[in-house]
Amino acid sequence: GNSVTQMEGPVTLSEEAFLTINCTYTATGYPSLFWYVQYPGEGLQLLLKATKADDKGSNKGFEATYRKETTSFHLEKGSVQVSDSAVYFCALSDSNGANNLFFGTGTRLTVIP
Amino acid sequence: EAGVAQSPRYKIIEKRQSVAFWCNPISGHATLYWYQQILGQGPKLLIQFQNNGVVDDSQLPKDRFSAERLKGVDSTLKIQPAKLEDSAVYLCASSWGGGARNEQFFGPGTRLTVL
Repeated sequence: GNSVTQMEGPVTLSEEAFLTINCTYTATGYPSLFWYVQYPGEGLQLLLKATKADDKGSNKGFEATYRKETTSFHLEKGSVQVSDSAVYFCALSDSNGANNLFFGTGTRLTVIP
Repeated sequence: EAGVAQSPRYKIIEKRQSVAFWCNPISGHATLYWYQQILGQGPKLLIQFQNNGVVDDSQLPKDRFSAERLKGVDSTLKIQPAKLEDSAVYLCASSWGGGARNEQFFGPGTRLTVL
């Protein structure tokens, strides 16, 4: 079946620190992989995605590389800002065309000045 | 472009009562999804519609949950009767189509508390 395992939180970092949030997945076929972000008081927003192995998704300074050999899609950012404080969800979409998203449990990031 | 609209934003009911949630997707989006997000967990798909037809409802507890999308636009999700474990945020999302390359856009959610 399809599942996503995400790094437990919460994560607290100082501004300008390096961020890594680990995500590994189990899937049949060749899924697409996503990172969604939920800022305080707002709905889920797509942060970045990758649709095939070795693809790198990037947006707003965040990056994640689709690693088929390690079934991973770790989220990274070189220098976090206070405005990055949010809950981050790793997700996959199965390859059967239905576009159903399977989410991890989420990682809460707090960035302190 | 207007986003996905949901109402109400918050609802508090007692167990065994009924409740309904409403979703208006982004204009032109053929595919609509309902997710349940229990506190501390990621969203879980309940049902997916393509226009007014059901694509996947395998995770919908059909003994108490029902959903419809009449005319292929707005959708309602109903719980009858509610249980304590139904306390969650109910998210609606929409996309142009059902393929994996179609980005899902999420509404703000309805937070349900069952007492």
